[in-house]
Amino acid sequence: DAKTTQPPSMDCAEGRAANLPCNHSTISGNEYVYWYRQIHSQGPQYIIHGLKNNETNEMASLIITEDRKSSTLILPHATLRDTAVYYCIDGNAGNMLTFGGGTRLMVKP
Amino acid sequence: DSGVTQTPKHLITATGQRVTLRCSPRSGDLSVYWYQQSLDQGLQFLIQYYNGEERAKGNILERFSAQQFPDLHSELNLSSLELGDSALYFCASSVGSDYSSYEQYFGPGTRLTVT
Repeated sequence: DAKTTQPPSMDCAEGRAANLPCNHSTISGNEYVYWYRQIHSQGPQYIIHGLKNNETNEMASLIITEDRKSSTLILPHATLRDTAVYYCIDGNAGNMLTFGGGTRLMVKP
Repeated sequence: DSGVTQTPKHLITATGQRVTLRCSPRSGDLSVYWYQQSLDQGLQFLIQYYNGEERAKGNILERFSAQQFPDLHSELNLSSLELGDSALYFCASSVGSDYSSYEQYFGPGTRLTVT
């Protein structure tokens, strides 16, 4: 079973920042937080990962709380193409991913 | 395009039959993972191979088996098919099986329909 909890759905206006929260209260010290997204039955797509520090790449930013029990994925300027199911996963690199229900993000014009 | 290829894209077959799904990982990736996505179960990990050896097993039924060949492509064999096996089957690959592999790259999937 997934070890993370996420809200089932969120809406965001196009051009605004989308902030997707995740709780991973049972994460262990050597486990990373990963974010993937799945656009309508396509294969999941890796977005970003982090251990303790905040991370940023060309797609998104990841903010991890100091106690590592929760994180927020930030899409700074959401577009309609960002409409997808976003999955927050904790685990070790090179291992299987345990997907939960994810958050269905709807970006609206 | 993730670089992972899967064939066929769609497969329709009858109950009791056997099918083989094929996956070619990204060039240079040694690990292959298989996942099943059905409407009621979500995305579930089935099995992982690393450089030809089975590394991890998830919720894979005994009727299902997989292997990874010396050229690193992988096949997932599903036999005695039941209606409930209808699902999207994804293959993913990563560089290794350790901390060099933060990212898994997923293929486009094979949609299996059992009638």
